[in-house]
Amino acid sequence: ETGVTQSPTHLIKTRGQQVTLRCSSQSGHNTVSWYQQALGQGPQFIFQYYREEENGRGNFPPRFSGLQFPNYSSELNVNALELDDSALYLCASSLLTGRAFFGQGTRLTVV
Amino acid sequence: GQQLNQSPQSMFIQEGEDVSMNCTSSSIFNTWLWYKQDPGEGPVLLIALYKAGELTSNGRLTAQFGITRKDSFLNISASIPSDVGIYFCAGKANTGNQFYFGTGTSLTVIP
Repeated sequence: ETGVTQSPTHLIKTRGQQVTLRCSSQSGHNTVSWYQQALGQGPQFIFQYYREEENGRGNFPPRFSGLQFPNYSSELNVNALELDDSALYLCASSLLTGRAFFGQGTRLTVV
Repeated sequence: GQQLNQSPQSMFIQEGEDVSMNCTSSSIFNTWLWYKQDPGEGPVLLIALYKAGELTSNGRLTAQFGITRKDSFLNISASIPSDVGIYFCAGKANTGNQFYFGTGTSLTVIP
């Protein structure tokens, strides 16, 4: 158990819809990073939040956005869903420069 | 985004055998992490490395931070059936906040 909790565990959405995924970080951690993992691939960095501010972003379009709350939990929002957005979305909790601990992920299917 | 080259891509071994896998990058990293991922789950952190040449063990697992800082190695001794899964390396550079992940090594242990 990493103490990182993601919800929901599975989700099915229709192309064009919007989705919000949630992550509760491990106690004491102030940094949350989000990753997208397509089937058969390694996780790809979407962005990181540190103390409620975006603190780095990977090669993902602006329709991927996020929030971090004062309790360091976080949300990932994806607008205008596309079929290729189907993936396992992983949240990782850490201190800013420390090792990252992952949640169990949210499996998103876009149909 | 950048992905690290991980090899071998897959391994089929007999229970009790030792396993070696490696990860290489075109960039210098100052942190290497090794994860194990079971199907449908998030990656679980196995070992963290922070210094070139560092050798760290976690039970039957041993990982090394390469001297060039562009590679890392993971060894599993006396494999058992529960070692089955996909092993990912992840590296972080001195600049930037993201971890880059390898392509994964799928391990199958035959009882």
